[in-house]
This record gives sequence, structure tokens and C-alpha cells, in this order.
Amino acid sequence: DGGITQSPKYLFRKEGQNVTLSCEQNLNHDAMYWYRQDPGQGLRLIYYSQIVNDFQKGDIAEGYSVSREKKESFPLTVTSAQKNPTAFYLCATRPEGAGYGYTFGSGTRLTVV
Amino acid sequence: AQSVTQPDIHITVSEGASLELRCNYSYGATPYLFWYVQSPGQGLQLLLKYFSGDTLVQGIKGFEAEFKRSQSSFNLRKPSVHWSDAAEYFCAVGARDTGKLIFGQGTTLQVKP
Repeated sequence: DGGITQSPKYLFRKEGQNVTLSCEQNLNHDAMYWYRQDPGQGLRLIYYSQIVNDFQKGDIAEGYSVSREKKESFPLTVTSAQKNPTAFYLCATRPEGAGYGYTFGSGTRLTVV
Repeated sequence: AQSVTQPDIHITVSEGASLELRCNYSYGATPYLFWYVQSPGQGLQLLLKYFSGDTLVQGIKGFEAEFKRSQSSFNLRKPSVHWSDAAEYFCAVGARDTGKLIFGQGTTLQVKP
């Protein structure tokens, strides 16, 4: 079955550590997105990529980095510069054509310990 | 600036009662509009979407939404709520050029037996 796989489901980070969240898709979608979800704040866009080897900052990119070396993969690194990384992170993809909406992964919950 | 407002943070309805969740948007042109549903700890699932044409759109799980340009609204409705509908609901507006979605803050629906 085609879909989006986010891993791990739960992730714990110590202060000062970088961590990488995985997002893999086999839907053959060109566009991929990373959102952060905090209670009461909806979803906020971190980074997005519309094509391999190209990506753009979203609204809250500071303290995060991404790469898009393969169509299937769009990993997100939460760096030590992100001062409040505890949140639920959602990856999404979209086929060509802006009107189709997103398909979401099941999310990664990151907690700073 | 593009934005989405969901005026109701939390709504409680009795099982079998009708439901309407409000969504207002701000966008310079005719937007793409979406409603998503999220169960706790899960990703988002697309309920329905509006591109153009008929302003009343039907979705999955018995939901429908009506686009009203004059009111900049896209309210979600269901004639009879089931206990399994308890979840968080997000309205989103999509940019036609980039496909980026802007989400509202969400409405949490509680269903009383």
C-alpha cells in the first residue's frame, strides 16, 4: 500500500543534541512538507520541498534543517538551536496539482528531557 | 495576509445531534479549502475539499461543507453525530501557486452519549 512512514513515533532528546526525524513516502508525490503542532496553535509550516534537491523555509524554520536528496525522503533535523523543540511533528506529501490537499504521516512526538 | 480562523476551540454535542463547525478565511483570490480530522496522537485525514464549482461539497463519514464567498466561510456540517466523530477538526486554505496549506487552530469536538 502507498503511504507515508514517519519514524520514530516517539523521540527523546537531551539538551544540546541534534536529532533527525525520518519521513519516507512511496506515493510518488513531488511535494513534501514538515509541520509542527503544538496544543492550541494548529499546524505551523517548518520547511517544504516541491522537487528533489530544492527546499524552502516555512514560517518557523529557525533551529531546523532539512534535505531532499531523494524523491522518497525528506528528513528533518532538529538542532540544538531550536530552544523549544518539544512538539508533535507531522510530515505530509502532495501530488502535482495544488488542489489535491495533503496526505499526512502519523507523526513523531519529540520530547526534550 | 492569508489566514484561517476557527472561532470555536471546543464544542460538545450530544450523539445524534447535528453539528456545524465554523471556518473563516482570508485570502486574496478564490482559495482551495479543506477540512481535516485528527484523532489523538495521529496524523490528519482529509474529510473534504473545495476547488471550484458547486459550493456544497460532500466528504467522507457523512460530512459536508458549504463555501460562501460573500462570508469568506467554509463551515463543516453533519446531520447526526456519532460518538466516533469525537476528534480535532482543522480547516485549511491552500495557495493555488505553491500548494502550501495554512491551517486554523482547530476545533475539538466532544460527543456526549
